[in-house]
Amino acid sequence: QVQLVESGGGVVQPGGSLRLSCAASGFTFNAYSFHWVRQAPGKGLEWVAAISYGGNKNSYGDSVKGRFTISRDDSRNTLYLHMDSLSPDDTAIYFCARDFGIGLDSWGQGTLVTVSS
Amino acid sequence: SSELTQDPAVSVALGQTVRITCQGDSLRNFYASWYQQKPGQAPLLVIFDKNNRPSGIPDRFSGSSSGNTASLTITGAQAEDEADYFCNFRDSSNMHYVFGPGTKVTVL
Repeated sequence: QVQLVESGGGVVQPGGSLRLSCAASGFTFNAYSFHWVRQAPGKGLEWVAAISYGGNKNSYGDSVKGRFTISRDDSRNTLYLHMDSLSPDDTAIYFCARDFGIGLDSWGQGTLVTVSS
Repeated sequence: SSELTQDPAVSVALGQTVRITCQGDSLRNFYASWYQQKPGQAPLLVIFDKNNRPSGIPDRFSGSSSGNTASLTITGAQAEDEADYFCNFRDSSNMHYVFGPGTKVTVL
């Protein structure tokens, strides 16, 4: 079955960096686009970034543009999110999600990122 | 504006019908999708492209749209439908997604 498993979350100091991973299984990874979506504690969903199948097109939300980088390794069936210049406002659960073309049909369980000194 | 607005909370008696609305200028140009999220769980797509249900989603969930407003209707709400519901649109030209703030549905 389709499975997405995020990892790499943790506690990081303001100004620090972190790389999240999302390991996929149960489907043809290289045929899909993927997204990162985050949710701050007690808040709603915020779209973070997207990468096309083939990896030749990326897109970012305004709040992370210039600080976060989305990438993928199709040989490893893995999606990444590299996050720089982190601030407390970036504290959230980060979900990876598969884009089936007209919606996000599969989601991981998320990984918690806490930015705190 | 690309912002979406939703009522913060609604309640519905067990077995009755509830409509959740989502407003935004972008909904005049893009179809809405809806995601259900229960506490401690990942979101679940329940409606895509205005009124299509993914496999496994009960047919008591339906969507509609008019002008700048999209709606999710639960006909015959069940206890397990108690959750947060987020509307969403996607701009395929730049892969941008926008989520609404969410509506908490309580089944009484």
